[in-house]
Amino acid sequence: SQQGEEDPQALSIQEGENATMNCSYKTSINNLQWYRQNSGRGLVHLILIRSNEREKHSGRLRVTLDTSKKSSSLLITASRAADTASYFCATDERNAGNMLTFGGGTRLMVKP
Amino acid sequence: GAGVSQTPSNKVTEKGKYVELRCDPISGHTALYWYRQSLGQGPEFLIYFQGTGAADDSGLPNDRFFAVRPEGSVSTLKIQRTERGDSAVYLCASSLRGKNTGELFFGEGSRLTVL
Repeated sequence: SQQGEEDPQALSIQEGENATMNCSYKTSINNLQWYRQNSGRGLVHLILIRSNEREKHSGRLRVTLDTSKKSSSLLITASRAADTASYFCATDERNAGNMLTFGGGTRLMVKP
Repeated sequence: GAGVSQTPSNKVTEKGKYVELRCDPISGHTALYWYRQSLGQGPEFLIYFQGTGAADDSGLPNDRFFAVRPEGSVSTLKIQRTERGDSAVYLCASSLRGKNTGELFFGEGSRLTVL
């Protein structure tokens, strides 16, 4: 089963625009992570935000976490064609042991 | 190489056959995970090892699926009597042991096609 639901499922933007992806989840978490997957490749970790954090930045990435709404967002600023990929949120659920539960992903296309 | 290595990268088999998929994690990573990813979906948890033992196998879909990690390093996912519905990309990931689940390092996956 999948805990997270990403929104939108697909997003198409022009290079230079910002891309925002949202993730909602159902249970209490220790942390929430975002991963990127290029077509036919493995997943690559982007950023981790702990349950007691509200916002985190890494380069052009900005992640927010609202535990009261059980939601997170990933913002990619000044997008590039190379950002084209699928993006997944994953939660470390508090009572589920040591593993991550992934959402269905957002497929981002950045047109040059 | 320093990353997670999975073999084979592609496997085509016939319904009913037995399949083994191998994962070589990052050296020193005590935690190892198997996930399954169907087309257009997110990864779905199968099993988690801490050292040699399966700490959580709640994601294995049925008893045709089994995984081992006898020396706490390389792991093998075994699928008996394969069915067409087993077709998917099987992803392996490893991580350092911590209080909570930290960053997972994924391999490129093994794409299984059951005809």
